[in-house]
Amino acid sequence: DIQMTQSPSSLSASVGDRVTITCRASQGITNYLAWYQQKPGKVPKLLIYAASTLQSGVPSRFSGSGSGTDFTLTISSLQPEDVATYYCQRSNSAPFTFGPGTKVDIK
Amino acid sequence: EVQLLESGGGLVQPGGSLRLSCAASGFTFSSYGMSWVRQAPGKGLEWVSFISGSGVGTSYADSVKGRFTISRDNSKNTLYLQMNSLTAEDTAVYYCARTYSGYVLDSWGQGTLVTVSS
Repeated sequence: DIQMTQSPSSLSASVGDRVTITCRASQGITNYLAWYQQKPGKVPKLLIYAASTLQSGVPSRFSGSGSGTDFTLTISSLQPEDVATYYCQRSNSAPFTFGPGTKVDIK
Repeated sequence: EVQLLESGGGLVQPGGSLRLSCAASGFTFSSYGMSWVRQAPGKGLEWVSFISGSGVGTSYADSVKGRFTISRDNSKNTLYLQMNSLTAEDTAVYYCARTYSGYVLDSWGQGTLVTVSS
């Protein structure tokens, strides 16, 4: 099965900073990659699908890129409400594996 | 508005069984695949199972294959997860999620907690 890894596992940044999270698939998945945000104690929320398509209603400071095996989620200007754990997920074929998550907080 | 409401969680002994339900509203249920995702306490998300809109196509994570069965009743707009031979490792919050093209989970329920313990 294809394994998903994420780096870093956690990060701390200041409000207004540009934040980048990396997700890597052990085999190519073209652009079948989604990103989810889970705030503490809340339900996961879809942010981005097809590697770079922003889900409706998601702030434009979030963006995604990549193809094949390497993907990134970027928050262009970190806001206090972005404190959360971010997960990538392969979405091409079963098993639809999630990455281990990246916890983002404010410095 | 899409609404997904899970039920059926609770405390069950190791080796026991439980059936989860997910009542859907606000969309044409039969037009969408549906998934179950779980999250053990303090851990990350783990995809569990998927079922196509018609119910014909299903898939499972290796960790639950042969023990869990996903099904749906499109006349009742309800998704199910039958869980058998439960172990402590199955303890988690179980979420149902609407799943669309590309197997993207675009709407999630609030989750139901399953605790496997003697």
